[in-house]
Amino acid sequence: QQPVQSPQAVILREGEDAVINCSSSKALYSVHWYRQKHGEAPVFLMILLKGGEQKGHDKISASFNEKKQQSSLYLTASQLSYSGTYFCGTETGANNLFFGTGTRLTVIP
Amino acid sequence: NAGVMQNPRHLVRRRGQEARLRCSPMKGHSHVYWYRQLPEEGLKFMVYLQKENIIDESGMPKERFSAEFPKEGPSILRIQQVVRGDSAAYFCASSQNPVTNEKLFFGSGTQLSVL
Repeated sequence: QQPVQSPQAVILREGEDAVINCSSSKALYSVHWYRQKHGEAPVFLMILLKGGEQKGHDKISASFNEKKQQSSLYLTASQLSYSGTYFCGTETGANNLFFGTGTRLTVIP
Repeated sequence: NAGVMQNPRHLVRRRGQEARLRCSPMKGHSHVYWYRQLPEEGLKFMVYLQKENIIDESGMPKERFSAEFPKEGPSILRIQQVVRGDSAAYFCASSQNPVTNEKLFFGSGTQLSVL
């Protein structure tokens, strides 16, 4: 039930953009995105509920394609503070959340 | 409003001992989730509980592992006869309502080291 994330890791220079993808083999009710910095707890970024829904949060936004059972996280004009591991969490109707293996993002000056 | 509290922060056990990890959810939250994280790996679901009930324990090994969330008090993840492979960070998260439209709040985790 674990979703698949890609890429596994990405290195960006400040100001560059990145896309992180999340796909599931099961129909999705919702998709969550979290960021975890090294040695810390994961922190919530956003939830997407409906097919085709898009959300924005400062320069971080996401889309959810219900038909394709996929979600993407978009980071634009990246900042040093964006560094961390990004996890998507998928909910398939059992009120439970399964996380992907994570995408490690490193932003360098 | 205190966040999700986990203790201990670090726990060292010798092989064969028992480990008890505690999680106090945020005030008003009745849904608790436990995840295990190995170094450089993702969050692996273990168990989902509501007050006094185990809703989904499909991610928890059948042997040696158990979890509870009593009417009063914290949620407990118990690992009996620990082995080296149990060494990991264990995160607890809570939510007020089912997770479909509700974010999870995570605790700071318990780092279990088995010698």
